[in-house]
Amino acid sequence: AAGVIQSPRHLIKEKRETATLKCYPIPRHDTVYWYQQGPGQDPQFLISFYEKMQSDKGSIPDRFSAQQFSDYHSELNMSSLELGDSALYFCASSLGVAGPTYEQYFGPGTRLTVT
Amino acid sequence: AQTVTQSQPEMSVQEAETVTLSCTYDTSESDYYLFWYKQPPSRQMILVIRQEAYKQQNATENRFSVNFQKAAKSFSLKISDSQLGDAAMYFCAYRRGGTASKLTFGTGTRLQVTL
Repeated sequence: AAGVIQSPRHLIKEKRETATLKCYPIPRHDTVYWYQQGPGQDPQFLISFYEKMQSDKGSIPDRFSAQQFSDYHSELNMSSLELGDSALYFCASSLGVAGPTYEQYFGPGTRLTVT
Repeated sequence: AQTVTQSQPEMSVQEAETVTLSCTYDTSESDYYLFWYKQPPSRQMILVIRQEAYKQQNATENRFSVNFQKAAKSFSLKISDSQLGDAAMYFCAYRRGGTASKLTFGTGTRLQVTL
């Protein structure tokens, strides 16, 4: 079965640079979530989109922005990168409405290293 | 705000034995879901088991089962016949009902499986 695809899998950037992370949800999934997992920490919710509209926002820095496109893929844009942004960034997808398919399926993550 | 607490940073179990991981949560919602996710060294987030709050029956998936005590807001995971492949970080997670709801994770329990 198709899974959530994230690209790139690994990314190395320098301080103050910009990074773009991409997420391709499971086909027919209309909701995308972004989570950030720092070293030794639990995943923290950043932002989510349902039917191409932002549905919820967590502890996402103002330097970060995201959107969901007409084909339901999503991009997380991160500017003025700081050392503390180094983390594993997960994208998850689901069907937005509650029901048997309410589960969030996680992608493999993008490991961002800021030097 | 919803909170999820895992009070056991690390647990150890011998192969073929049984282990129980604890999780408590706090919410004022009546419609919610609870999950256990496994994160092996690959860092992939893998759904182990889910429980709907409106269901009284405890969920079971092969060797994995939960003890859901709604009044006590407790949601423990029991792993029977532990295998070396069960060694991982386990996260308890909460999601309220409704469209496109985020996951809130506990801090995780690292499970070691010994011979």
